[in-house]
Amino acid sequence: GEDVEQSLFLSVREGDSSVINCTYTDSSSTYLYWYKQEPGAGLQLLTYIFSNMDMKQDQRLTVLLNKKDKHLSLRIADTQTGDSAIYFCAESMKYSGGGADGLTFGKGTHLIIQP
Amino acid sequence: AAGVIQSPRHLIKEKRETATLKCYPIPRHDTVYWYQQGPGQDPQFLISFYEKMQSDKGSIPDRFSAQQFSDYHSELNMSSLELGDSALYFCASSKRTGGGYGYTFGSGTRLTVV
Repeated sequence: GEDVEQSLFLSVREGDSSVINCTYTDSSSTYLYWYKQEPGAGLQLLTYIFSNMDMKQDQRLTVLLNKKDKHLSLRIADTQTGDSAIYFCAESMKYSGGGADGLTFGKGTHLIIQP
Repeated sequence: AAGVIQSPRHLIKEKRETATLKCYPIPRHDTVYWYQQGPGQDPQFLISFYEKMQSDKGSIPDRFSAQQFSDYHSELNMSSLELGDSALYFCASSKRTGGGYGYTFGSGTRLTVV
């Protein structure tokens, strides 16, 4: 079955880079996502990557995918206090019609920013 | 830009009551998904609809049912509520033909069962 693993906590200093890691087990995964959730709030889509890509960069965010090792990472450059949140990795298989379907989430990584 | 709209934002019900949650997807999105997130937990996929037909089913209890209407909005009906149903319920929408692109969540409905 599908399983997504993440470390529960990551502590970094303000201004440093944060790297949040995720591993998944389903080799059929086609879409991989990173979501940010602040306390009591909804899930904000940060970025996503298709399984045929190795890397995707969007401003301060860099996603790296190692499909062979089933390892996904999210790097946040110049981490700010506003980045403090829970970061969820999620995967989805490609639906037969071509779209994504129900996501499987990891348990989430709490990113803690030290001043 | 328009987002996924969920109503109500908060709902308090007593045990054994019924609740209905509503979701309005992003315009031109054809697929809606429902998730349940318990306190301190990761979101769990419940059910999805594509073009008003059930598309995929996750860990949705038999006491829950859902449907998607002709205007693409969706409703999650929850009966015989239990204390353990207290959670954040998220709806998400996407355009299926666009693959994983635009898989966007609403702000959620916080259901408290007392």
